[in-house]
Amino acid sequence: GQNIDQPTEMTATEGAIVQINCTYQTSGFNGLFWYQQHAGEAPTFLSYNVLDGLEEKGRFSSFLSRSKGYSYLLLKELQMKDSASYLCAVRGQGGKLIFGQGTELSVKP
Amino acid sequence: EAGVAQSPRYKIIEKRQSVAFWCNPISGHATLYWYQQILGQGPKLLIQFQNNGVVDDSQLPKDRFSAERLKGVDSTLKIQPAKLEDSAVYLCASSLSSGAQREKLFFGSGTQLSVL
Repeated sequence: GQNIDQPTEMTATEGAIVQINCTYQTSGFNGLFWYQQHAGEAPTFLSYNVLDGLEEKGRFSSFLSRSKGYSYLLLKELQMKDSASYLCAVRGQGGKLIFGQGTELSVKP
Repeated sequence: EAGVAQSPRYKIIEKRQSVAFWCNPISGHATLYWYQQILGQGPKLLIQFQNNGVVDDSQLPKDRFSAERLKGVDSTLKIQPAKLEDSAVYLCASSLSSGAQREKLFFGSGTQLSVL
């Protein structure tokens, strides 16, 4: 079967670092995506990993371990505007993109 | 570059009524997706088109949901008749279909449907 797990909610402080984890079990693996979704808005692309290791893009980094079926999104120097839902999605067999439930991140002053 | 356009933005209907949503993808994007996002959950794929052909509609409740993309550009998603559990945001997305694994989806702002 297909399963993607993320924590439902997280809270962090402005200026801090937060790590959002994602574990997956899917039929086939053709890459893992992270999307950001502000309330009432469209999801927007953050990162893509297909090989093991860390991809860094400014304040955001994403890590993948295919053998463990595990990824994380690391957000540094948190800002209030980073309060949003973060969606982990896996491209499985046939190219289908399957989303996790999303992690609602609240950044407090 | 214009993004994915969807309308209406909000829709409120009573159960057993019909409703239709419209999507215009980014110009040149061959693949179009309709996702259903229930509050507190991640998006669930309902149907995927490649040009005007259906690639995947395995999770589309075909007894009440239908979708078409007649000319391979715009698409409409219809629900007839609606049930209370259809209350959700309906997201349209498109992608280039370059064949690259890292090809990302671009989403519209969605249509928020409330069924009373």
